[in-house]
Amino acid sequence: QLVESGGGSVQPGGSLKLSCAASGFYFSGSAMHWVRQASGKGLEWIGRIRSKPNNHATSYAASVKGRFTISRDDSQNTAYLQMNSLKIDDTAVYYCVRGGGDSWGQGTLVTISS
Amino acid sequence: EIVMTQTPLSSPVTLGQPASISCRSSESLVHSDGNTYLSWLQQRPGQPPRLLIHKISNRFSGVPDRFSGSGAGTDFTLKISRVEAEDVGVYYCMQAAPFPHPYTFGQGTKLEI
Repeated sequence: QLVESGGGSVQPGGSLKLSCAASGFYFSGSAMHWVRQASGKGLEWIGRIRSKPNNHATSYAASVKGRFTISRDDSQNTAYLQMNSLKIDDTAVYYCVRGGGDSWGQGTLVTISS
Repeated sequence: EIVMTQTPLSSPVTLGQPASISCRSSESLVHSDGNTYLSWLQQRPGQPPRLLIHKISNRFSGVPDRFSGSGAGTDFTLKISRVEAEDVGVYYCMQAAPFPHPYTFGQGTKLEI
């Protein structure tokens, strides 16, 4: 199970940090991804963080690179998405996803508005 | 970045009848490890996506056997042998290539009765 939290309403240029609490599987050995979905639109991959044996390596979509940072705390079974310099186009439901796509959270809504 | 193109984007179906969705990738999805990381997701109204099929044709745990996947290289198909009311929603193909490649999704196909 994956449970996201931390969503809310922020002004353009602001920051927000999302959390994804995992349970029921071997979190430490799993890559974790973030995917977002604007209202009525399709799915957009944001980025991933690999497991510790893979040095927690990260990769990001071009649309968020340099603004968003993915991290994890394996002791807390939690992944994070730090979002900076937010734009109106970042408004979406944000999902955390286990590597391979076999487990999705319910999502948390992020609204960027002035 | 690999572009995924689905057809049709909307599919009216009749209960009990078959349905089919196609997905084409802009380049071959065969990875150097020999696997093809093409998945299908279902998103029911108001719900997060859920995995139906992975690596072209492997049904995920709990997925009814009326769902099947096929294809190779750049062309893939999701088939529903007999549509049921609970199948209404949007279906996405997803290429889930290993690090460092990004995941990419098709535009989605809306299945409606």
